[in-house]
Amino acid sequence: ETGVTQTPRHLVMGMTNKKSLKCEQHLGHNAMYWYKQSAKKPLELMFVYNFKEQTENNSVPSRFSPECPNSSHLFLHLHTLQPEDSALYLCASSQDRGGRDTEAFFGQGTRLTVV
Amino acid sequence: GQNIDQPTEMTATEGAIVQINCTYQTSGFNGLFWYQQHAGEAPTFLSYNVLDGLEEKGRFSSFLSRSKGYSYLLLKELQMKDSASYLCAVFDNYGQNFVFGPGTRLSVLP
Repeated sequence: ETGVTQTPRHLVMGMTNKKSLKCEQHLGHNAMYWYKQSAKKPLELMFVYNFKEQTENNSVPSRFSPECPNSSHLFLHLHTLQPEDSALYLCASSQDRGGRDTEAFFGQGTRLTVV
Repeated sequence: GQNIDQPTEMTATEGAIVQINCTYQTSGFNGLFWYQQHAGEAPTFLSYNVLDGLEEKGRFSSFLSRSKGYSYLLLKELQMKDSASYLCAVFDNYGQNFVFGPGTRLSVLP
């Protein structure tokens, strides 16, 4: 248990569906991240929020829409996804933005399958 | 540009020592992190280096040379449970995010 909780753990959705991924942390961190992990590829940064403000959008298609209502919660809204979007989606949080004792803590991830 | 390289796979024997190398080129640098990720699980933090030299933590040690853009993770007295992927990550303070390498899948054989 890392202190970062993601739900659901597994999700299967059709290309016309709308779903949301949820991430929650109660570690007092002020930065939260969404990463995509595809098979045999590096972790790809999708979005970064710092103090609830989005500071990074790494050229992610608009069918992925993040939301950060407060510093403890992060959502990823999904709509009209493609089969190539199937991957493990990892949420992470960190204190400040780099430096000692500011390692990222990861949630268990959501295994997404688009059919 | 951002680029982090690691070997894709390594194999070692239980009780042995293994060194996993990482080279990086990033816009900014504010620390290098090593993570362990077992299949189907979240990455977990192993070590952090920001100054040149060796950091030791039990059976695991991590080394950094900033001038060479190079780090390694040293695992001693290997155990079967050490079979996992090991991710090298740099905190890029220019882009303000963690940049991850592709990971090295380590298999420990009896």
